[in-house]
Amino acid sequence: QKEVEQDPGPLSVPEGAIVSLNCTYSNSAFQYFMWYRQYSRKGPELLMYTYSSGNKEDGRFTAQVDKSSKYISLFIRDSQPSDSATYLCAMSAGYGQNFVFGPGTRLSVLP
Amino acid sequence: DADVTQTPRNRITKTGKRIMLECSQTKGHDRMYWYRQDPGLGLRLIYYSFDVKDINKGEISDGYSVSRQAQAKFSLSLESAIPNQTALYFCATRETSGRSNEQFFGPGTRLTVL
Repeated sequence: QKEVEQDPGPLSVPEGAIVSLNCTYSNSAFQYFMWYRQYSRKGPELLMYTYSSGNKEDGRFTAQVDKSSKYISLFIRDSQPSDSATYLCAMSAGYGQNFVFGPGTRLSVLP
Repeated sequence: DADVTQTPRNRITKTGKRIMLECSQTKGHDRMYWYRQDPGLGLRLIYYSFDVKDINKGEISDGYSVSRQAQAKFSLSLESAIPNQTALYFCATRETSGRSNEQFFGPGTRLTVL
């Protein structure tokens, strides 16, 4: 079993849809959870960062962490074609410790 | 200008050749990382460095070596390239302390080993 699992997609949705992206993990020590967005031929860029359990909202993006279920989610509201990218979850056990990345989910938002 | 740069951006080479990938950063971060990205496997850590004198192996260091020439420069070498090292390689930086736990990635090097 991989330490971090993520549905690779591809996921195609119409513009304006609500998108749900998810990761599951096996290491209960993870406390820091991140979502990176990676456009084609680019390096990943940090999108959302959450510590421990709970929700965090930033504009159209909401990150949720459920540590009891070892499950994290990223919701995108009113999705736009510019949201088309690969979304990587990443997590670490402590501040400054190395990240473990999920394999990424490729999202296409169709106009 | 980009904060984290990688050269070359694309490279095709043959089995057995020695290859060096270079990374430079202007962010002033102490920590630097090399990852490889393969379809379905995500980003896997090859080597990381907390400062010029501190080099550490990551998850998949076999077949690779690194050199931290300065705070701003971190090079990855494949001493004798093999086809299963064909992948997208990313360099990343991270500040040692502060409010952010973020890693900043370069644009990547696409390496093909024939």
